[in-house]
Amino acid sequence: LAKTTQPISMDSYEGQEVNITCSHNNIATNDYITWYQQFPSQGPRFIIQGYKTKVTNEVASLFIPADRKSSTLSLPRVSLSDTAVYYCLVGDRSGGSYIPTFGRGTSLIVHP
Amino acid sequence: DTGVSQNPRHKITKRGQNVTFRCDPISEHNRLYWYRQTLGQGPEFLTYFQNEAQLEKSRLLSDRFSAERPKGSFSTLEIQRTEQGDSAMYLCASRGGQETQYFGPGTRLLVL
Repeated sequence: LAKTTQPISMDSYEGQEVNITCSHNNIATNDYITWYQQFPSQGPRFIIQGYKTKVTNEVASLFIPADRKSSTLSLPRVSLSDTAVYYCLVGDRSGGSYIPTFGRGTSLIVHP
Repeated sequence: DTGVSQNPRHKITKRGQNVTFRCDPISEHNRLYWYRQTLGQGPEFLTYFQNEAQLEKSRLLSDRFSAERPKGSFSTLEIQRTEQGDSAMYLCASRGGQETQYFGPGTRLLVL
C-alpha cells in the first residue's frame, strides 16, 4: 500500500515560506504525487501535481527527489488565508487497481 | 468552484431512514469517486466509477451503501437504514485523463 506520512500540524507566520514534507516509501513507478488543500466544510482543492524533480505553478512548488520516496510542498510567503489542512495523495495500485489513499493531512496554522 | 456539484449540501435524517446523495461531475470526466470524511480525518475512499462501470468498492463499505452511475454522467450514493455512525461529510470527485481529482463541496450528513 502506498501509505503517506505527514506531520500532523505546523505553525507559521505571515510572509514566511512553508515547506511540508510527505513520505511515501512504497510509491509505484507510475504513480503521480498530488497535493490538496482543504478548508473546513469544503471539499479538497487541487494545489499541485508532479512525478519527479520540481514542479512550480502560481501558488506552490513541489520538490520530488530522485528516489521519489518523499515530496515537499513549498508555499512561498504564506498569508492568513493559507490556514488549512494539506494532504498529499499517492495512488494505491496494489492488485492492479487505483484506490486513492489519503492520510490525515497536515494542519497548517498561519499566525499574524 | 471546481465544476463538480453535489446535492443536497446538508442532510439531517433519523436513524433507520434511507438517504440519497447526488453528484454531477465535470462533463468530460469519465471517472468518478465517492469518499467519506469524518472530523479530523482525511477523505476515505468508498467507490470508483469509470463511465457507468463501478470498478472499485472499498472493503470497508457496508452493504447498506450502494452507488450508481447509470449513464456515465451523474452518480448517486444511497445509504439504507442509516446509523449514527454514518454521520460524516460525503465527497464526490471527478477525474479526467491524469490523476488529478476535482472535488465537489460535499454533502454533510447528520443522523439523529
